[in-house]
Amino acid sequence: AQRVTQPEKLLSVFKGAPVELKCNYSYSGSPELFWYVQYSRQRLQLLLRHISRESIKGFTADLNKGETSFHLKKPFAQEEDSAMYYCALLRSGGYNKLIFGAGTRLAVHP
Amino acid sequence: ETGVTQSPTHLIKTRGQQVTLRCSSQSGHNTVSWYQQALGQGPQFIFQYYREEENGRGNFPPRFSGLQFPNYSSELNVNALELDDSALYLCASRILAGGVETQYFGPGTRLLVL
Repeated sequence: AQRVTQPEKLLSVFKGAPVELKCNYSYSGSPELFWYVQYSRQRLQLLLRHISRESIKGFTADLNKGETSFHLKKPFAQEEDSAMYYCALLRSGGYNKLIFGAGTRLAVHP
Repeated sequence: ETGVTQSPTHLIKTRGQQVTLRCSSQSGHNTVSWYQQALGQGPQFIFQYYREEENGRGNFPPRFSGLQFPNYSSELNVNALELDDSALYLCASRILAGGVETQYFGPGTRLLVL
């Protein structure tokens, strides 16, 4: 079964602390994975994708096929990072659809 | 902003009624997907339209239907509303550039079924 699991509903840290948002996936093919973010009162937007191997707003994510994980990391959290974060898997073949995890709320305290 | 708009922003219906939600995407975005996001959950794929035809559907009953129009707008119709249909409904337009797919989401329509 194709599935994305985000084990933490809430992650609460202080400003300047490191952050790791966990994501595990189940997919039989070659996965294409994304992190989406939703700030308060804003729409869901793409944060980063694994194939780009980019760093956005200080966040990085590495695909670990052995552990079937795609954890999102940032060395020093900022208050403006507070938001809902969703890990998503692109299921392709015939038509493409995103399979989302349940999301993790990141709260960064001053 | 992504250029994807949705209307209305929110609405309230009662069980058994029908509802139509609308989405407008940018010119050239010829694929649109609809997602349902229940409270505390991630978005769930409903269906996808490409060039005005449905070409993929998630685990949703036939009372969820859609249309896509040549002007890059689309509709989600839900008949015989049930209480569990209360959710945020998102549309996403998709572009493929350089072999990389990107989905742009609208702000959503929040539906409450009483």
